[in-house]
Amino acid sequence: DVKVTQSSRYLVKRTGEKVFLECVQDMDHENMFWYRQDPGLGLRLIYFSYDVKMKEKGDIPEGYSVSREKKERFSLILESASTNQTSMYLCASSPPEGDTQYFGPGTRLTVL
Amino acid sequence: GENVEQHPSTLSVQEGDSAVIKCTYSDSASNYFPWYKQELGKRPQLIIDIRSNVGEKKDQRIAVTLNKTAKHFSLHITETQPEDSAVYFCAASGDRDDKIIFGKGTRLHILP
Repeated sequence: DVKVTQSSRYLVKRTGEKVFLECVQDMDHENMFWYRQDPGLGLRLIYFSYDVKMKEKGDIPEGYSVSREKKERFSLILESASTNQTSMYLCASSPPEGDTQYFGPGTRLTVL
Repeated sequence: GENVEQHPSTLSVQEGDSAVIKCTYSDSASNYFPWYKQELGKRPQLIIDIRSNVGEKKDQRIAVTLNKTAKHFSLHITETQPEDSAVYFCAASGDRDDKIIFGKGTRLHILP
């Protein structure tokens, strides 16, 4: 079974704080993704990574950065959190031929 | 880039009846179409997928149809049960990269 884990289920931060969301997968997948999920907007891609130290912008990268120093770990960074970044954040991974993505349980981030 | 439209956003059906969710896509190069189910408070999980070389695929009570000419695909759930209540996402993906573009989701309610 593919296992994708995220460091926190719930997180509360203050405006201006630096926030790290961690994602780890145990299936040796090359591809990893970060999405945010908001009501009525579905799943929107923030960043993705094809390999270690590689990253690509998704549809809504503004205000976010990522880090992939190891194959199994993909971090999402909010350099200076803002209230409009309050959302559910989902991490996913997939094998190199793409296709099926396996999701983590999600992190619900609240920025006050 | 690819754009995926999903309808309806909310669907209520009587238990035992059928449910149909429809999606359209814009990129004719897309060749992989997965469907994900997200139960309340849980992660999205793949329930069925179809590739562009087939027109229909069935797995017990769930079926997906694909019309490449019209660029639309649909999810059909027959003999609906209470555990089918969830949010369903369609998605499309092509050869150019391993990104999946999601629709905005359909919240399916199964009425007793």
